[in-house]
Amino acid sequence: EAQVTQNPRYLITVTGKKLTVTCSQNMNHEYMSWYRQDPGLGLRQIYYSMNVEVTDKGDVPEGYKVSRKEKRNFPLILESPSPNQTSLYFCASSPGPTTGELFFGEGSRLTVL
Amino acid sequence: QQQVKQSPQSLIVQKGGIPIINCAYENTAFDYFPWYQQFPGKGPALLIAIRPDVSEKKEGRFTISFNKSAKQFSLHIMDSQPGDSATYFCAASSRSLVFGKGTRLSVIA
Repeated sequence: EAQVTQNPRYLITVTGKKLTVTCSQNMNHEYMSWYRQDPGLGLRQIYYSMNVEVTDKGDVPEGYKVSRKEKRNFPLILESPSPNQTSLYFCASSPGPTTGELFFGEGSRLTVL
Repeated sequence: QQQVKQSPQSLIVQKGGIPIINCAYENTAFDYFPWYQQFPGKGPALLIAIRPDVSEKKEGRFTISFNKSAKQFSLHIMDSQPGDSATYFCAASSRSLVFGKGTRLSVIA
């Protein structure tokens, strides 16, 4: 089954404790992206990757890091989480940003205390 | 800076009505305009998409109208049903996909 898998789905952590949200896709997609969803603000792009070893900032990259060492994986790293990073996070993948459907994962709800 | 402006923020219609959601953009480099539908607890899923070389696209009860000169596009849902109740996002893309803030649609029986 074609899918984008995120882990963990739910996480409560404390300020400053490094965490990683993993994302994996099994569709051999070139393009992957991370979004955060907040009430009233919609979906805002954090980082995206056009291909392996190629990443670029989206609209709200501050406080986040990503890496794309393999085509299928695109982890999101919060080096020192803060309460304003409490949000619902979505990973997504596509053959390309304008060449096909963007497939989303189920989301990871993160709470930073 | 928001690149895609979406309205209204929320919408309530009666079953069988035709909700219309509007979006506007500024960046003329955008060349792909999808709409996504999101149900509670789920990730968004592609509903319908259009490219700027056509003015209208229909898929079932869903229609996108596109006005390139005005830099606006809209989603119409014909014969809306309670199962259409969801949040709808318009988006636009060149190198990356930018979303509007979303419209929460409620279709009441």
